[in-house]
Amino acid sequence: KAGVTQTPRYLIKTRGQQVTLSCSPISGHRSVSWYQQTPGQGLQFLFEYFSETQRNKGNFPGRFSGRQFSNSRSEMNVSTLELGDSALYLCASSLEGVSYEQYFGPGTRLTVT
Amino acid sequence: KNQVEQSPQSLIILEGKNCTLQCNYTVSPFSNLRWYKQDTGRGPVSLTIMTFSENTKSNGRYTATLDADTKQSSLHITASQLSDSASYICVVSALTGGGNKLTFGTGTQLKVEL
Repeated sequence: KAGVTQTPRYLIKTRGQQVTLSCSPISGHRSVSWYQQTPGQGLQFLFEYFSETQRNKGNFPGRFSGRQFSNSRSEMNVSTLELGDSALYLCASSLEGVSYEQYFGPGTRLTVT
Repeated sequence: KNQVEQSPQSLIILEGKNCTLQCNYTVSPFSNLRWYKQDTGRGPVSLTIMTFSENTKSNGRYTATLDADTKQSSLHITASQLSDSASYICVVSALTGGGNKLTFGTGTQLKVEL
């Protein structure tokens, strides 16, 4: 089985721009979660999507949004980028949700200048 | 507030030696505890998942223990190899009314040297 894939792997944007990241889960997995990872904060939960519905949300501003398509692929959008949004964005897929084993993708490294 | 604290923050050991990483948590109600290994520039990979009733679980040279009473877990690495150099992250899952919620530790950075 192919693993979780994320595109793009690297991205450089300037402040004020917006960005869309993509995640393709493992075939058959219906849950996709997104995380932000920074050296100082570690991994922080953004949101979880299950069957095209947002099921859980972390404590991030409304500039961070996501969606899930009928094929379970998910996108994450960040609008009005700030320097502090520079991070590794990871997505993880699981069969039914975060209570099950999660499989992480390689991440998208976002740099905001 | 749900919290997961890991120690030490970083560790350097010689190849072939054993080491133990610690994880203390205040997450409740407890659902399960996971250890992940994250190589530099890559996504985390699951090592073990333990529920309340499990107090030890092994995955090759990795052995995790869980003491649900004291809310402590440890990850023991036996006969370390250079490839064990990575960040090890402890994650605790809480079963809430809104579903399972994960709380992440900030990780222990392990470096294995010759």
